[in-house]
Amino acid sequence: GAVVSQHPSWVICKSGTSVKIECRSLDFQATTMFWYRQFPKQSLMLMATSNEGSKATYEQGVEKDKFLINHASLTLSTLTVTSAHPEDSSFYICSAESTGGPTSGNTIYFGEGSWLTVV
Amino acid sequence: DAKTTQPTSMDCAEGRAANLPCNHSTISGNEYVYWYRQIHSQGPQYIIHGLKNNETNEMASLIITEDRKSSTLILPHATLRDTAVYYCIVRVSWEWGGTSYGKLTFGQGTILTVHP
Repeated sequence: GAVVSQHPSWVICKSGTSVKIECRSLDFQATTMFWYRQFPKQSLMLMATSNEGSKATYEQGVEKDKFLINHASLTLSTLTVTSAHPEDSSFYICSAESTGGPTSGNTIYFGEGSWLTVV
Repeated sequence: DAKTTQPTSMDCAEGRAANLPCNHSTISGNEYVYWYRQIHSQGPQYIIHGLKNNETNEMASLIITEDRKSSTLILPHATLRDTAVYYCIVRVSWEWGGTSYGKLTFGQGTILTVHP
């Protein structure tokens, strides 16, 4: 299947600093990418949908000024957690949509995830 | 997007077929059924998706009822490595222009445990 790569796989940062997570679609172009977060023993929670060249659409309750999303190209989206706090520690996962067609449908592929620990 | 209902957990013996059910009684005509699985501490892995016809790939088979209100994911010969949380999701997948804004919303999924 198609490959979506996230970097870094894990990161530790100090409280108050910002951290950036990259998401790349390696073998296809993705006009739409999605960002999720997941707390231990919980399901994935959608944070925002980003479309190449336009502003991201955030889910209710997600602070857009805290979680900055940039989708500057068809193969790269970034999530920046600004002024990180310990409660932002979580597993962040991106996904990218590969265009199929009206008969086969699109497929969304996920990255490996990034563990963020804020100390 | 329509909601789905899955059993909380299931067990399966290694080498046997694992049949994971999913109810999606409010599915719309343009919504696809997607299956993903997540192994602990990894990103979800795409398994298969379909609209109304049964589908098969190298990983699994997807059986969708004629009325599309339910489906079953079949892992034909389960192995210990298939132990994971399996998610059934329905979603609008394709719109004119090739861009879809349909969200992929995860429920709690089914914890499948394959035992020796």
